[in-house]
Amino acid sequence: DVKVTQSSRYLVKRTGEKVFLECVQDMDHENMFWYRQDPGLGLRLIYFSYDVKMKEKGDIPEGYSVSREKKERFSLILESASTNQTSMYLCASSSPPSVKAFFGQGTRLTVV
Amino acid sequence: ELKVEQNPLFLSMQEGKNYTIYCNYSTTSDRLYWYRQDPGKSLESLFVLLSNGAVKQEGRLMASLDTKARLSTLHITAAVHDLSATYFCAVDPAGAGSYQLTFGKGTKLSVIP
Repeated sequence: DVKVTQSSRYLVKRTGEKVFLECVQDMDHENMFWYRQDPGLGLRLIYFSYDVKMKEKGDIPEGYSVSREKKERFSLILESASTNQTSMYLCASSSPPSVKAFFGQGTRLTVV
Repeated sequence: ELKVEQNPLFLSMQEGKNYTIYCNYSTTSDRLYWYRQDPGKSLESLFVLLSNGAVKQEGRLMASLDTKARLSTLHITAAVHDLSATYFCAVDPAGAGSYQLTFGKGTKLSVIP
């Protein structure tokens, strides 16, 4: 089975801190994604990557950056965390020709 | 801007009953996804619909796609408590398996004994 692992299930950070959310997949997938999930809003795409050192903005990239130095790892960075970034963050990976995207278990981030 | 609208957003139904969740989307998409999410858990892939008229079934769930109407349905037959979860549809607007998914807001289903 494909495994997408996020480094933390729960995180509490202070406003202004730099926050790293890590995601690792074990199936040699080319594509990796970061979404945030908020009640009543569904999931929204923050950033994605189709290859090492490649990144593209999704629908809501403001306040975030990403890093993909290795194929299996995709990091989401909050340069200066703010309370409106309190959310559930989900990482996903996929690879053609498979039609499925596989999601990690999520990281619930609280910024205080 | 692509919009993906699900309705209803909340659904409470009795065990044994049938119901349909609707997913409308506002632009052309060559694939439509359905996911299930249990409370506190991640998303589980249910169905991927790849063409107009596609129908897929697993257990008590059946999904269909009408690309001309830009509509997908998730039909629940003889609901059981284990189906209680939030169901999301998602479309792939960039096409060709880009996986840049745009999600609906989700339908929270509660099946009552």
